[in-house]
Amino acid sequence: EAGVTQSPTHLIKTRGQQATLRCSPISGHTSVYWYQQALGLGLQFLLWYDEGEERNRGNFPPRFSGRQFPNYSSELNVNALELEDSALYLCASSLMVVVIGFEQYFGPGTRLTVT
Amino acid sequence: ELKVEQNPLFLSMQEGKNYTIYCNYSTTSDRLYWYRQDPGKSLESLFVLLSNGAVKQEGRLMASLDTKARLSTLHITAAVHDLSATYFCAGGFTDKLIFGTGTRLQVFP
Repeated sequence: EAGVTQSPTHLIKTRGQQATLRCSPISGHTSVYWYQQALGLGLQFLLWYDEGEERNRGNFPPRFSGRQFPNYSSELNVNALELEDSALYLCASSLMVVVIGFEQYFGPGTRLTVT
Repeated sequence: ELKVEQNPLFLSMQEGKNYTIYCNYSTTSDRLYWYRQDPGKSLESLFVLLSNGAVKQEGRLMASLDTKARLSTLHITAAVHDLSATYFCAGGFTDKLIFGTGTRLQVFP
């Protein structure tokens, strides 16, 4: 069974530009989560999508946005990039089933570098 | 809001020794997770602990959960070099996970 996939692996952008990151969940998973892992800041929750809707949002400015498509894949957009947006962006997917504890499975990540 | 604290932040241990990583959380959490991360890599799920008293073991790693004390532990038995990685605990609900700071484990001969 294929795991969570993310693209691109690496992304280099200039300050002020926009970045688009993509995620495909495990087949059958309807929920997608986005996390940011920035140096010195640890892993922070960004966004949660389920069944095409944004269900929760972390403490990030509105220039971080995204969407979930009918096939449950997801896109994270970061507008007006700032240097501190440089981080590893991790996508996770989950099957909304209580007995397995809503376990989240993580993709390989996209390393975003803003210069 | 849920806060998760791990200690120690860094752990250097000799092969063959035992040690425990501690994870304290501030408020009720539906469940507790342990993940492993190798340098430059993603997170690998190790354990999901769903209820008070839960204990799970996989190889040299054993995780437990005490919801009354709001404490989870990850015990390493007879460490080997392959266990060198960063270990994260995370608490949370359906809508998100809150991660601890991580414990960087280095196992040396």
